[in-house]
Amino acid sequence: KQEVTQIPAALSVPEGENLVLNCSFTDSAIYNLQWFRQDPGKGLTSLLLIQSSQREQTSGRLNASLDKSSGRSTLYIAASQPGDSATYLCAVLGGNMLTFGGGTRLMVKP
Amino acid sequence: GAVVSQHPSRVICKSGTSVKIECRSLDFQATTMFWYRQFPKQSLMLMATSNEGSKATYEQGVEKDKFLINHASLTLSTLTVTSAHPEDSSFYICSAMTGGINSPLHFGNGTRLTVT
Repeated sequence: KQEVTQIPAALSVPEGENLVLNCSFTDSAIYNLQWFRQDPGKGLTSLLLIQSSQREQTSGRLNASLDKSSGRSTLYIAASQPGDSATYLCAVLGGNMLTFGGGTRLMVKP
Repeated sequence: GAVVSQHPSRVICKSGTSVKIECRSLDFQATTMFWYRQFPKQSLMLMATSNEGSKATYEQGVEKDKFLINHASLTLSTLTVTSAHPEDSSFYICSAMTGGINSPLHFGNGTRLTVT
């Protein structure tokens, strides 16, 4: 059974700092890995999707990497802003099952 | 971009009644839709996978007779919470795939269900 772990569970940083969120998974047989953002009480917003054959994806200040063999992905956020404050979730898709990590609650202080 | 509309966004019902939540893909056909539940301060939990025209596949521990899922068309899936109890109060979110298994998932905005 796939297990997805996100570290840290919570993170508080000053504005402008570059930061890295970590995601690890136990079963490397995945189709893709996706990073989401969730604002309180709202649905998820898809940030980046990395196919199993890819190693990274970039969108604006966000960069996500995937090392399937070691079961790890990182989400790098450059020059963080208060508007980046949210919960970030990674999810892996394998065998038509989507497994979520527990999320990282990010607070960017002005 | 792909839009998933979920309705209602918030519903309050009395214990023992049934509630239906709709999930629509507005500008694409979704052969597969997923239903999730999220309790406060917890991660999303997959409840079931819904494929158009076939029976939903439920995750272990999810009662299929209580959480009825219907995916009758390529743009609509519904989740009906039958005989709701206060412990069913939660945040329910649907998602849909725009294409094949390697396509991104797009999520509805969720439904906050409160059972009194």
